[in-house]
Amino acid sequence: AQSVTQPDIHITVSEGASLELRCNYSYGATPYLFWYVQSPGQGLQLLLKYFSGDTLVQGIKGFEAEFKRSQSSFNLRKPSVHWSDAAEYFCAVGAYSSASKIIFGSGTRLSIRP
Amino acid sequence: GAGVSQSPRYKVAKRGQDVALRCDPISGHVSLFWYQQALGQGPEFLTYFQNEAQLDKSGLPSDRFFAERPEGSVSTLKIQRTQQEDSAVYLCASSLVAGGPTDTQYFGPGTRLTVL
Repeated sequence: AQSVTQPDIHITVSEGASLELRCNYSYGATPYLFWYVQSPGQGLQLLLKYFSGDTLVQGIKGFEAEFKRSQSSFNLRKPSVHWSDAAEYFCAVGAYSSASKIIFGSGTRLSIRP
Repeated sequence: GAGVSQSPRYKVAKRGQDVALRCDPISGHVSLFWYQQALGQGPEFLTYFQNEAQLDKSGLPSDRFFAERPEGSVSTLKIQRTQQEDSAVYLCASSLVAGGPTDTQYFGPGTRLTVL
């Protein structure tokens, strides 16, 4: 069965510092991978997605993620965080099925230190 | 509107009451999804519609949960005889085409249900 693990529940980084949020997935074939961000009172917004091809994926708001099959990982990175990046981040995996559903991780809450 | 809208945004129900949660997807979107997000957790899939057809309801936690999309646009998630464990944020998402997670899902702001 597909599953997603986000090992960090809460991370705090200083504004301007680099960021890496970890994500590990479990899936038998090449997965479809996503990162979503959820700000308080806002809906989930797609940051980026990976289906195939180049394993380094660029997204919105300056985020990128790298798919590493050997490590079953899809970590999210940003070179320099801004205070507005404080939010909850969810990694997710999907696959073709009758449901076309996405399986979400439990999320990582990002706080920004001024 | 430009995005997915949900109403009400907040709902408080007494245990045993029935509730109905509404989702207005982006106009023209074929696929519609419902998710349940418990406090401190990621969203969990409940059910999926392709137009008016409910193709997957494997995530509905019990027969108290029922969803419909009769005209292939607006959808309603109904919970009968609410229980405290039903307290969660219910998210609706829509996508343009049918089938496959490659199509981006656009999420609404959710309905926060609190069962007392």
